Amino acid sequence: DIVMTQSPDSLAVSLGERATINCKSSQSVLYSSNNKNYLAWYQQKPGQPPKLLIYWASTRESGVPDRFSGSGSGTDFTLTISSLQAEDVAVYYCQQYYSTPLMYTFGQGTKLEIK
Amino acid sequence: EVQLVESGGGLVQPGRSLRLSCAASGFTFDDYAMHWVRQAPGKGLEWVSGISWNSGSIGYADSVKGRFTISRDNAKNSLYLQMNSLRAEDTALYYCAKLEVGAHTFDYWGQGTLVTVSS
Repeated sequence: DIVMTQSPDSLAVSLGERATINCKSSQSVLYSSNNKNYLAWYQQKPGQPPKLLIYWASTRESGVPDRFSGSGSGTDFTLTISSLQAEDVAVYYCQQYYSTPLMYTFGQGTKLEIK
Repeated sequence: EVQLVESGGGLVQPGRSLRLSCAASGFTFDDYAMHWVRQAPGKGLEWVSGISWNSGSIGYADSVKGRFTISRDNAKNSLYLQMNSLRAEDTALYYCAKLEVGAHTFDYWGQGTLVTVSS
């Protein structure tokens, strides 16, 4: 099975500062057929379902502020929040897709707080 | 507006069964694959199962394989999860999620229905 490992488990950043969350996959999520990384990032606030932020490792979902960006390829990925806002306090998850057998795997989550 | 509304959760004894439902609206249901994702109290997200638009492709997490069955009724815009032989570790909030097929991401989620397995 593919394992997604996020680091750190929790993170405290000052308002206006940069926040960086890492995600490492035990297998490559890069599909050579279309050169796409099937890696997504979600934000989950307390009492709410997750919200899709980033897909294909670096493409922002419609309506997501541009302070959120994703990077990486193959097995190592990063979610960056360029200037932390109070409303960004949440748990962030990475997620991969694997076609055969059909499987979707989430990282364990990273809790982001204000310092 | 896309809406996904789960129902059917509750308190159930270990070994018993429960059937979850998800009512979808605001999009062409039979164009999209649908999935169940769960979250144990205070824990992270776990993909449970998914079904293609025409029920031709189905997948399960190893943790539920052989015990859970996913199905859909496109005429009723509904998704289901039949859960048998329930265990304490199945206790979780169960989310219904729509799959964005191009990127294989979950672009819309319901609010979830809570399943508690306890004697």
